[in-house]
Amino acid sequence: EAGVAQSPRYKIIEKRQSVAFWCNPISGHATLYWYQQILGQGPKLLIQFQNNGVVDDSQLPKDRFSAERLKGVDSTLKIQPAKLEDSAVYLCASSFGIEAFFGQGTRLTVV
Amino acid sequence: RKEVEQDPGPFNVPEGATVAFNCTYSNSASQSFFWYRQDCRKEPKLLMSVYSSGNEDGRFTAQLNRASQYISLLIRDSKLSDSATYLCVVNGAGNKLTFGGGTRVLVKP
Repeated sequence: EAGVAQSPRYKIIEKRQSVAFWCNPISGHATLYWYQQILGQGPKLLIQFQNNGVVDDSQLPKDRFSAERLKGVDSTLKIQPAKLEDSAVYLCASSFGIEAFFGQGTRLTVV
Repeated sequence: RKEVEQDPGPFNVPEGATVAFNCTYSNSASQSFFWYRQDCRKEPKLLMSVYSSGNEDGRFTAQLNRASQYISLLIRDSKLSDSATYLCVVNGAGNKLTFGGGTRVLVKP
């Protein structure tokens, strides 16, 4: 079974630039999560989709972050404009039931 | 108060010893609980679910105390390969998964 795919693996951008991350969940998984993990901390939920609808985006900084899940499959997360404090690993996970499976993440460095 | 809290550690554990640590959660309506393991610069992976009656998987034992709102993980006969960060995860309404900050365990020879 193919896992959760994320790209790119690494990204370095300057502050105030924009960046986008892509996630392809495991086939058939209705629930998709985006997490932000800052070094030394646990993952923080940014947004949760159920199919192509948003279930929870209470911790998404909506002035700069946006996310969509087209046709209930792939998802993109965008940051515009980026700030230094956005440097983190962005993890995508998908779930069909209890266990959530994570992708390898995108490591973002904002300089 | 954070929704899910963990002692960050690190817990320095001699090889072969037993280590245990807890995680507290604030929402009494939380439905299910998990321990995930995260190796350095890797993604989190499910270690085990936590059931009300307590459950064991080899050298790992998880317990849930709903009255006091905490879960625990015990590792027996620690191996060098158990060195990792252990993340407590609480599943709330709508399958919202909330992570704790993680507990770092270092097993030393």
